[in-house]
Parts: sequence; C-alpha cells; structure tokens
Amino acid sequence: GAVVSQHPSWVICKSGTSVKIECRSLDFQATTMFWYRQFPKQSLMLMATSNEGSKATYEQGVEKDKFLINHASLTLSTLTVTSAHPEDSSFYICSARGVLRILMVNEQFFGPGTRLTVL
Amino acid sequence: AQSVTQPDIHITVSEGASLELRCNYSYGATPYLFWYVQSPGQGLQLLLKYFSGDTLVQGIKGFEAEFKRSQSSFNLRKPSVHWSDAAEYFCAVGDTGRRALTFGSGTRLQVQP
Repeated sequence: GAVVSQHPSWVICKSGTSVKIECRSLDFQATTMFWYRQFPKQSLMLMATSNEGSKATYEQGVEKDKFLINHASLTLSTLTVTSAHPEDSSFYICSARGVLRILMVNEQFFGPGTRLTVL
Repeated sequence: AQSVTQPDIHITVSEGASLELRCNYSYGATPYLFWYVQSPGQGLQLLLKYFSGDTLVQGIKGFEAEFKRSQSSFNLRKPSVHWSDAAEYFCAVGDTGRRALTFGSGTRLQVQP
C-alpha cells in the first residue's frame, strides 16, 4: 500500500508552453501533498504544500503564478508550470500524506518524480 | 527552523567494506528522522525511519541507523557494502507528517570493486 504515482515521468517542451504534472495517491486518500524540486546533483527543495480543497502554500521565492498547484480531490494534485523556460528544467517530485493507517499517519510517500526539460 | 547537515558530499568505499554516512539535525523537539536513497534519475526510496522507541533502527537492504539525541545525530550504517548500494543518500527530518520534510544536501556513495 501507500503508492504515489506521477505522470508523466518525463516531458520535453518548448519555451513558452505550459506543462501539467499529476501526482496521484493510488491506494489511500492524501489530505496533504507536497511538491519538491531537485536540480542536478542537489537536494530536494520544497516548493509548496497543498491541502485538499484549499489554496496551496508556497515557499518563499517560489512564484505562485508560475507554478500553479491544484489539489481538487483526495487522490490527485497537479502542478502546472506556466510559460516554461529553460531555467525551469528540473526534476519535480511530489509526496503525499494521508490517513492510511494510524501508524502511517506521520509518514509521507514519494512519487517517482517527473523530469522536465524545457528547450 | 529545522535543518539537516550531511557533512560528507562524496564517499568512496570498497565493496564488502563497512559504511557509515553521517547526519546531524537541528530541531527543538523530538524529531522524526528518515534516510532515503535515490538512484540516478529515480525517485526516493525510504530506507528507514525513526519516530520513537528503540534508538537503533533497522531498515531495508541491510541498513541500520542509530538516533543519538545527545549528539543530534542519526548516522546510517551498513556492515558490508554491495556494488548496488552506489547511489545518493539523503537524511531528512520532520516533526509530523503535517509538514514537509527538510532534507540534507545528500551524500553520494561510490563503491569500488
């Protein structure tokens, strides 16, 4: 149990286009989802926290108009990179926290990541 | 604010040798501590976690970690490294699952034959 998927696993797009990345909790309800960004050979940096049915909370320095996050259901959160530019190229990873079982309530489960390349 | 320090950016060990990856954290209360492994181009795999109780935690793939409150450390160990262990290792700290984890900068492990 506790599987998180991301789609697509990789995407290449032209500069100026928008890209949507989906994060799904497959076998549990995710009350909270987190979006991280990872540059090559670097650690994961939190971009935003999203709770189902409410607006996402963005970390300092993350442009909310550029990185649109929607958490419309308990199993799906989406990250849309609007008007993407080459500097947005990165590895985007989501994680989900849910109420699967009491012992797992404090855990987060990570998706496999999405590699975005903007030409 | 919580923080995690992994002092070693890159470690090289011989296959069959023992391994210890260092992790120090800064957090005001009892932390939740995690070790993850990431292979190139892949997502994160949880190796082990510490929430409470026994300070020596056993994980997958033969890894273990020891929580030492007095030293604010949570070092990862393995008695005998395999070539397949070559990867990036991240230590992370959190208070509860309500908040995102704070990750260390990572340690890249290289295994020599």
